[in-house]
Amino acid sequence: DGGITQSPKYLFRKEGQNVTLSCEQNLNHDAMYWYRQDPGQGLRLIYYSQIVNDFQKGDIAEGYSVSREKKESFPLTVTSAQKNPTAFYLCASSPTGEGNQPQHFGDGTRLSIL
Amino acid sequence: AQSVTQLGSHVSVSEGALVLLRCNYSSSVPPYLFWYVQYPNQGLQLLLKYTTGATLVKGINGFEAEFKKSETSFHLTKPSAHMSDAAEYFCAVSDPGGFKTIFGAGTRLFVKA
Repeated sequence: DGGITQSPKYLFRKEGQNVTLSCEQNLNHDAMYWYRQDPGQGLRLIYYSQIVNDFQKGDIAEGYSVSREKKESFPLTVTSAQKNPTAFYLCASSPTGEGNQPQHFGDGTRLSIL
Repeated sequence: AQSVTQLGSHVSVSEGALVLLRCNYSSSVPPYLFWYVQYPNQGLQLLLKYTTGATLVKGINGFEAEFKKSETSFHLTKPSAHMSDAAEYFCAVSDPGGFKTIFGAGTRLFVKA
């Protein structure tokens, strides 16, 4: 079955540490997204990518970085510069990124600080 | 700029009762509108979408929503709630020229036996 796989499901970060969240899709979608979800705030866009080797900052990109070296993969690194990283992180994809296309979501990674 | 407002962070209904989750949007161009559902510790799943055409949209699990341009609303309804409908629901808006989708803050639906 086609879908989006996020790993790990749970992740703990120590002070001053960078951590990387994995996102892989086998839907052959061009566009991929990273969202942060906090209770009562909905989803906020961190980064998005419309094509391989290209990505754009979203609304809350500070303290995060991404890469898009392969169509299937869009890893997110939470750097030590992100002072409040505790949240639920969701990866999504859509065929081309156009507005009329719904997004397909992975099951998320929950990140906590040790 | 586009925005979405979901009225009520929590809604509680009895099993078998009508479900009504409210969503109002703001957009300078004709919007595309979506409803998603999220179960605990999972990602979002698409319930239904409005892009063009018929303003009453039917989705999965018996849900439907009506696009009302004059009221800038896209409320989600289901005639009879089931225990399995308990989840968080998100309304979202995007515009034809953009690549970003704006999500509402979500409404958590509780279903009482």
